[in-house]
Amino acid sequence: DQQVKQNSPSLSVQEGRISILNCDYTNSMFDYFLWYKKYPAEGPTFLISISSIKDKNEDGRFTVFLNKSAKHLSLHIVPSQPGDSAVYFCAASATGAGSYQLTFGKGTKLSVIP
Amino acid sequence: DTAVSQTPKYLVTQMGNDKSIKCEQNLGHDTMYWYKQDSKKFLKIMFSYNNKELIINETVPNRFSPKSPDKAHLNLHINSLELGDSAVYFCASSLTRGEAFFGQGTRLTVV
Repeated sequence: DQQVKQNSPSLSVQEGRISILNCDYTNSMFDYFLWYKKYPAEGPTFLISISSIKDKNEDGRFTVFLNKSAKHLSLHIVPSQPGDSAVYFCAASATGAGSYQLTFGKGTKLSVIP
Repeated sequence: DTAVSQTPKYLVTQMGNDKSIKCEQNLGHDTMYWYKQDSKKFLKIMFSYNNKELIINETVPNRFSPKSPDKAHLNLHINSLELGDSAVYFCASSLTRGEAFFGQGTRLTVV
């Protein structure tokens, strides 16, 4: 039972254009969402997060949007750079006993073409 | 200076053996985790320790036993290794909720 879904296994984008990565979740108890970036043979690296009390969070070229009613979030990267090529994981957590636990999606492999 | 380090990076072993993976964090975090990334690339939590106490223990075989000698270390011991245990195991730590820092991973191959 996948509580966090990333339905696009891969995405290719031209350098300089916008990359949009999508994530859907089913557990309405999730109230904190994160994006991680992962290069081959390395561990995931935290990128950006958003609390459910917000609908947008921005950090440089990275912006995360949250639509709670649709249980959907997206990561926008503008402009995309070749160094952004990696696997991006969406993750979520819920307040409570398991609040330290992250539930991950399967990831989307982003390729930025020079 | 690596924030979360785990050793070894690669581990190839035969079925039935017992092996350990070590993890150390120098970030002063209170909480440490073990995650498993299987062949389908899912990252799933296995264990979580807060100040050396187990707070999450997902459904994993009891052949897997975490050990936390202090809050900077969380080791994973696996008994009687099986082919299905082959995966990449990630150690992580966090101070605030959710923003975990991950180690580089240990690729375990059971032959």
